Amino acid sequence: DTEVTQTPKHLVMGMTNKKSLKCEQHMGHRAMYWYKQKAKKPPELMFVYSYEKLSINESVPSRFSPECPNSSLLNLHLHALQPEDSALYLCASSQEGSGRGQFFGPGTRLTVL
Amino acid sequence: SQQGEEDPQALSIQEGENATMNCSYKTSINNLQWYRQNSGRGLVHLILIRSNEREKHSGRLRVTLDTSKKSSSLLITASRAADTASYFCATAFPSASNTGKLIFGQGTTLQVKP
Repeated sequence: DTEVTQTPKHLVMGMTNKKSLKCEQHMGHRAMYWYKQKAKKPPELMFVYSYEKLSINESVPSRFSPECPNSSLLNLHLHALQPEDSALYLCASSQEGSGRGQFFGPGTRLTVL
Repeated sequence: SQQGEEDPQALSIQEGENATMNCSYKTSINNLQWYRQNSGRGLVHLILIRSNEREKHSGRLRVTLDTSKKSSSLLITASRAADTASYFCATAFPSASNTGKLIFGQGTTLQVKP
């Protein structure tokens, strides 16, 4: 299984809602990532988890809260988002030192109304 | 923070022609990677070149790295319509505190006309 899955594919939420994005991989990768990508722009790193511990937080606002319940799962909890947070949210995983780069999921297209 | 600049921003070629994309970066790197992204979808890793390597091949892809100029190029030979996508370079940093951190360039949009 060389796939990273993300759910949901699309999400529309209001500014007062609480929602979660989910990401799963079964490749035994011990590093997992969240990226945000706006239209016609490159992905921007948000968080890195290494061995289920948060290792990098790129000064992301607290309305985004990551969670890594186990080595296969990565969640991104969303609360009180702003319309400018609308974007494609990408999850990725990797095995450090493998030389194979990061494996990306298809993304969740988030719209904040 | 932006690390990679790519050129051209957009490239349109005929099927069968070669496509060359360039990437420049600013700081020391551990490795440089190239990714492809089809419209609005996830990225696919194409190739990784380490800082002590100068050239690498994978199928129709050829990547070069010049650390003295802080630049890399991706050559796609004998292009196909299916190669139509956005291509991003991404740099990985050598420091332990930044392990796993990738900074992406702005990307090149490639259109291959049948």
